[in-house]
Amino acid sequence: GALVYQYPRRTICKSGTSMRMECQAVGFQATSVAWYRQSPQKTFELIALSTVNSAIKYEQNFTQEKFPISHPNLSFSSMTVLNAYLEDRGLYLCGATDWGGKNTLYFGAGTRLSVL
Amino acid sequence: QQQVRQSPQSLTVWEGETAILNCSYEDSTFDYFPWYWQFPRESPALLIAIRPVSNKKEDGRFTIFFNKREKKLSLHITDSQPGDSATYFCAAWGNTGNYKYVFGAGTRLKVIA
Repeated sequence: GALVYQYPRRTICKSGTSMRMECQAVGFQATSVAWYRQSPQKTFELIALSTVNSAIKYEQNFTQEKFPISHPNLSFSSMTVLNAYLEDRGLYLCGATDWGGKNTLYFGAGTRLSVL
Repeated sequence: QQQVRQSPQSLTVWEGETAILNCSYEDSTFDYFPWYWQFPRESPALLIAIRPVSNKKEDGRFTIFFNKREKKLSLHITDSQPGDSATYFCAAWGNTGNYKYVFGAGTRLKVIA
């Protein structure tokens, strides 16, 4: 079956420091990877959509300078939160899709970021 | 502008009743509608999905009813169980070139034993 492993599950960083989270797709080709942040109210904010062999598209209010993303192959993607501050706290989710398959979006377990 | 809307925001039903969760969308190019459920402290997981070629999709106690003309769909959970208590998200995707999933704000379901 299709699985997406995301790690770390939880992380705590000091204000102004950076942290990196990674996603690994197993059982399918992650043609596209979307990174979301879920607010305490449970709403999904799309940070960026990365499609292999295409430019990464960032949504309004999110920038590459703040959330650099790497998507080097069809099984792996990473995102870094640079200079994390209190407003960056939340649950970060990666979702991977195989556009050549069922187009289903599979989520990783999420990385919960706390900032001290 | 919210492209996918869900109602109600929260819903409480008794065990054994049918819970009905509603979803509507605006973009007629959407052609794939998955529902995700999310339990506390967990990530969303795919529950059931439908494509507009069908007006109904059933999987056990979970059924999606789809009305393409009105751009509405609903998730029916029959014989609701306390273990069904979760937040349910309706999502939409369309092959318009941007390959983005759009999520509703969710319906928080509570099933009381």
